[in-house]
Amino acid sequence: DGGITQSPKYLFRKEGQNVTLSCEQNLNHDAMYWYRQDPGQGLRLIYYSQIVNDFQKGDIAEGYSVSREKKESFPLTVTSAQKNPTAFYLCASSRQGRGTDTQYFGPGTRLTVL
Amino acid sequence: DQQVKQNSPSLSVQEGRISILNCDYTNSMFDYFLWYKKYPAEGPTFLISISSIKDKNEDGRFTVFLNKSAKHLSLHIVPSQPGDSAVYFCAATLRGFAFQGAQKLVFGQGTRLTINP
Repeated sequence: DGGITQSPKYLFRKEGQNVTLSCEQNLNHDAMYWYRQDPGQGLRLIYYSQIVNDFQKGDIAEGYSVSREKKESFPLTVTSAQKNPTAFYLCASSRQGRGTDTQYFGPGTRLTVL
Repeated sequence: DQQVKQNSPSLSVQEGRISILNCDYTNSMFDYFLWYKKYPAEGPTFLISISSIKDKNEDGRFTVFLNKSAKHLSLHIVPSQPGDSAVYFCAATLRGFAFQGAQKLVFGQGTRLTINP
């Protein structure tokens, strides 16, 4: 089965701690993305990557970091510098990141800061 | 600055009738539009898209209409079924957005559609 997996589904973090969200895809897609969804709002782009070892900031990158060491994997670290990290985080991938390439989404990780 | 807006947070429709979801955008440079469907605690799934060179695209029960002069698009679902109950997001992008090498989607806030039996 080809698809995108995110783990864990639910994550709890204490204030001041860094936490890493996993995203893996076996679709052989070049481009990968991280979004954040808050209640009543659309998805907002955090980071994206078109190729291995390269990534770009999205609209709300402050307090987050990413790496792209493998084509299949694009982990997101939520650092203690992120002021309001409680949200639903979605990972996506697309074939080549061109304007008409469909983005496919993972099931999401809900992060709650205690 | 909300470039893509879905002004109706929710919509309730009777099963079998037509559901019409609306979306407005402000950036006239957008030239490709998509609709995604999302169930609770799941990721969005792609539904249908339309290029700015068209004014209509149809896929089964789903039709998307684009009015470029009004900067407005709509999604029609006919007939509506209980399984259509979900949150629907419209998104827009620039197909020529290649200088940074990735597709950058701008999403609306979503509309929660409820289909009543």
